[in-house]
Amino acid sequence: DTEVTQTPKHLVMGMTNKKSLKCEQHMGHRAMYWYKQKAKKPPELMFVYSYEKLSINESVPSRFSPECPNSSLLNLHLHALQPEDSALYLCASSQEGRAADTQYFGPGTRLTVL
Amino acid sequence: GENVEQHPSTLSVQEGDSAVIKCTYSDSASNYFPWYKQELGKGPQLIIDIRSNVGEKKDQRIAVTLNKTAKHFSLHITETQPEDSAVYFCAALPNTGNQFYFGTGTSLTVIP
Repeated sequence: DTEVTQTPKHLVMGMTNKKSLKCEQHMGHRAMYWYKQKAKKPPELMFVYSYEKLSINESVPSRFSPECPNSSLLNLHLHALQPEDSALYLCASSQEGRAADTQYFGPGTRLTVL
Repeated sequence: GENVEQHPSTLSVQEGDSAVIKCTYSDSASNYFPWYKQELGKGPQLIIDIRSNVGEKKDQRIAVTLNKTAKHFSLHITETQPEDSAVYFCAALPNTGNQFYFGTGTSLTVIP
């Protein structure tokens, strides 16, 4: 099973709302990733968790707050977002978070900020 | 850091023809090169990958070739079918980290 699941599939929120995106994998992977993807662009890395510790934060604004409660779950907490934050948010996982580990992506959450 | 260029940005082929997408990379330390297919409204799906100790890899109608000297790698799809229509992304991964560097994507359309 190489499945990464993400909920919700779609999310519409106002600029003053607080919401969370959820990602789950049951492949025993120890690295999990959040990406942001704008239309017709490649995914942009936001955060990397390796063994439940934040290992990479690509200078993402503090209105995005990641959380890794355990090795199977990854959350992205959203607060005070801007309309330009509207995008497809992708979660991925890999076995160890080492170089050359294959990353498996979830279907994404389509976020619209009004 | 690594810089990955991908060409063409759009590609239309007749069903049954072959499609070739090319990527170049800048960091000679990169040693893992996956290809992802992304259909409309879905996340990227790994379709094939190659590591730097191999020059070519094939999986049914899909093949990838790697030229380490020239620092480029290519995706080859033979006998294309309408369901091959999607956006394809190449990526490169240096051996010192776990951050993928993606190409800009190729939108492939297979015309029935």
